[in-house]
Amino acid sequence: EAGVVQSPRYKIIEKKQPVAFWCNPISGHNTLYWYRQNLGQGPELLIRYENEEAVDDSQLPKDRFSAERLKGVDSTLKIQPAELGDSAVYLCASSFRTSGSIETQYFGPGTRLLVL
Amino acid sequence: GNSVTQMEGPVTLSEEAFLTINCTYTATGYPSLFWYVQYPGEGLQLLLKATKADDKGSNKGFEATYRKETTSFHLEKGSVQVSDSAVYFCALRKAAGNKLTFGGGTRVLVKP
Repeated sequence: EAGVVQSPRYKIIEKKQPVAFWCNPISGHNTLYWYRQNLGQGPELLIRYENEEAVDDSQLPKDRFSAERLKGVDSTLKIQPAELGDSAVYLCASSFRTSGSIETQYFGPGTRLLVL
Repeated sequence: GNSVTQMEGPVTLSEEAFLTINCTYTATGYPSLFWYVQYPGEGLQLLLKATKADDKGSNKGFEATYRKETTSFHLEKGSVQVSDSAVYFCALRKAAGNKLTFGGGTRVLVKP
């Protein structure tokens, strides 16, 4: 089966420009996550969706970041305007959550963002 | 809050050497524990997991045992190969569907 697909794989922009990342989760997965991974660190959750509902966005910098998951499948993460400190790898993950189970999160290859 | 601490790298080994990567955690209750691996140029892949105390997760020759008394989940492999060169992340999760909390990662380099 196809894994989590992300695009673009790499993006270079100047500060104050907008940027968007796209994620297509594994077919049938109801839960989708966006993580940010700074250089030399572990990923940190930005937002979690269950179907089309954002159930945890407490770590999302809402002044410049936005996300959507229309129809509960694909998702887009946007930054506007980008700042130098946003340079990182943005990871999308998905899982199929059922009540009481410890499901596995499957990660995409990530989008590496460089803000100049 | 929840946190994961793992040994800093890089760890450089010769092929067939024994590998240990230490991981300790801070969390209330009984989290599930995971090891993820990131090979060069690839995304994170689940290596193994354990969901309760004294469980042992294993995969591809790697093992880790959930130790509640020491809040640890150390990763071990008896004989590493060059292909094991990667960054290894320890992580915990408090409940199904909840976020993963990762450690900082440990880079492992295995030389022929």
